[in-house]
Amino acid sequence: GQQVMQIPQYQHVQEGEDFTTYCNSSTTLSNIQWYKQRPGGHPVFLIQLVKSGEVKKQKRLTFQFGEAKKNSSLHITATQTTDVGTYFCAGRNNFNKFYFGSGTKLNVKP
Amino acid sequence: DTGVSQDPRHKITKRGQNVTFRCDPISEHNRLYWYRQTLGQGPEFLTYFQNEAQLEKSRLLSDRFSAERPKGSFSTLEIQRTEQGDSAMYLCASSPSGGRPDTQYFGPGTRLTVL
Repeated sequence: GQQVMQIPQYQHVQEGEDFTTYCNSSTTLSNIQWYKQRPGGHPVFLIQLVKSGEVKKQKRLTFQFGEAKKNSSLHITATQTTDVGTYFCAGRNNFNKFYFGSGTKLNVKP
Repeated sequence: DTGVSQDPRHKITKRGQNVTFRCDPISEHNRLYWYRQTLGQGPEFLTYFQNEAQLEKSRLLSDRFSAERPKGSFSTLEIQRTEQGDSAMYLCASSPSGGRPDTQYFGPGTRLTVL
C-alpha cells in the first residue's frame, strides 16, 4: 500500500543552525502538505505544494516538491526556539486520502 | 470560536465497552476527516466524508469502527468492544470543498485510554 516515509525521526540543533526534514512517497502524489504540531497540540497547516518541482518560501522556511511528485523537503534557515515541534508531511492521493509521514521532531537549544 | 471542536477531550473506558466521539467542523466545510494518532507517529487516516457521504474508509479499520455524518455537519466516530490497542488520540479535521489549498483544520482531538 501507499506509504510516506519521513526522515530524520529526531533532530536536535543549536539555535541559529539550519534544519531539514525529508519525505518520500512510494507512489506519485497529487499534492503534498506540511503541518507543524507543537507538544500537546494538534497539527497546524503550513503549506501545500501541487506542481512538479515547486518551491515555496515562508520567511525562514523553504518547501520543495520533487520533479516526480514523490518526494518533498522542508528546510528551516537559522532556527529559533519558536520552531520547536514536530513537522509532518502529508501526501494526498487522487482520492482525497492523505498519508502522513511519521514526523520529524525538532528540538532547538538556545 | 469558529474552529473545529471535538467532544469529549478525554475518555477513559474499560476494555469491551463502546465509545462515541463527536466532531463539529468549521461551519460550511464540506469535507471532514477522522484520523488516529499514537505517540511518536503521524496521524493515520481513518475515514473521509464529503457532506454526508462517506467516500473513503481505511482498510486498517475493523468492523468495530463506524463513523457517521448524518446531516453533513457534525460527525460521530463509534468504537465498539474497545481493545487496549485502540488507545490513541482521535483527531478530526475539516476543509472547504474546492478550497485552494485544501487545508485541513484539525480539532484538539479526543484522547482515548482503554484500560
